[in-house]
Amino acid sequence: EDQVTQSPEALRLQEGESSSLNCSYTVSGLRGLFWYRQDPGKGPEFLFTLYSAGEEKEKERLKATLTKKESFLHITAPKPEDSATYLCAVQAAGNNRKLIWGLGTSLAVNP
Amino acid sequence: GAGVSQSPSNKVTEKGKDVELRCDPISGHTALYWYRQSLGQGLEFLIYFQGNSAPDKSGLPSDRFSAERTGGSVSTLTIQRTQQEDSAVYLCASSHPGAYEQYFGPGTRLTVT
Repeated sequence: EDQVTQSPEALRLQEGESSSLNCSYTVSGLRGLFWYRQDPGKGPEFLFTLYSAGEEKEKERLKATLTKKESFLHITAPKPEDSATYLCAVQAAGNNRKLIWGLGTSLAVNP
Repeated sequence: GAGVSQSPSNKVTEKGKDVELRCDPISGHTALYWYRQSLGQGLEFLIYFQGNSAPDKSGLPSDRFSAERTGGSVSTLTIQRTQQEDSAVYLCASSHPGAYEQYFGPGTRLTVT
């Protein structure tokens, strides 16, 4: 069964303390892996798409990487405004356009 | 350009009433998706439309839920005879032809009293 698991469920960091969020997946053929950010009371905001193992994408303090089993979202020197829930989703082969979603990691960055 | 818009942003209704939620996708996006997000839960897929193809309704939780998309653009999600367990945030997303990443609207928070 296709599945996406994110860890940890919640993470609290001090401002400037770098860390990584994990997204593990088991799918029958990966077409793409997506990272989103969701602020309270808002819809998810698209961050990155990764298509193949070894691929990396960067945006400001965020860097997403992909292997054949998992993806990491690295946060370098986070700021309080990086506090949000980070969601991971995958597009599996033969799944039409439906994405399989993880439950997210809730990140809090303290000043 | 304009993003996905949803209306209303908040809806409070009495149990047993029908509600309609509206979604305006990004112009040119042929795929449109509806999700439900309950407090502390993940995104629950409800239905998706792709161009003129028959919609994928596999995620609709009961026959009280239905959706339509007129003219390949605006979509309406209808919930009949609302129940308290229908209380959630309903999110709409759209995606460009040939791409899988979905762009979300701000959601409609539905509260059934």
